[in-house]
Amino acid sequence: NAGVTQTPKFQVLKTGQSMTLQCAQDMNHEYMSWYRQDPGMGLRLIHYSVGAGITDQGEVPNGYNVSRSTTEDFPLRLLSAAPSQTSVYFCASRPHVDTGELFFGEGSRLTVL
Amino acid sequence: GQSLEQPSEVTAVEGAIVQINCTYQTSGFYGLSWYQQHDGGAPTFLSYNALDGLEETGRFSSFLSRSDSYGYLLLQELQMKDSASYFCAVRAPGSARQLTFGSGTQLTVLP
Repeated sequence: NAGVTQTPKFQVLKTGQSMTLQCAQDMNHEYMSWYRQDPGMGLRLIHYSVGAGITDQGEVPNGYNVSRSTTEDFPLRLLSAAPSQTSVYFCASRPHVDTGELFFGEGSRLTVL
Repeated sequence: GQSLEQPSEVTAVEGAIVQINCTYQTSGFYGLSWYQQHDGGAPTFLSYNALDGLEETGRFSSFLSRSDSYGYLLLQELQMKDSASYFCAVRAPGSARQLTFGSGTQLTVLP
């Protein structure tokens, strides 16, 4: 099993550009989520999904969009990149609601100029 | 909402024991998790406590007191490779029980 796979690992954007961070998991987990991590801070929840076709907002959803058309994939879209979105983004999954164990991807480091 | 407090930095020497505390405030409690993150890496799961008491996994133990809204991670026989950031996280109220993370504790292990 590959676990949770994120692409790209690094990306540089100009202000106003859009892009999609890809996330795929092969563990058949129902729950997937996107977090961002800024220096010296913990992880903040952007969006999450409890199954194919179902998504919801987390703590910091503004400027981001998600969709979940399959169990495996959960892409994160930046609609119009801003310097404040410079961060490290982590995708995570877990098999069911009653677990505190998240499986994380390796992260995507995004710089917006 | 949820909030968690943990020390920002802890320093200890190789072979020692260190305790990283976490206090939380949440409108509904479903469990406390601990994660380790090395510089440039992804967080990795260490332990989870849903009930009061001590959970032991090798050199690492985690403790929870729900009445005190408090938990800690205990690392024994510290090794240089334990230098990392450690995060506590609580599962939030709501049907999806998403995790909310603390700001992390940077542990430095000195030779």
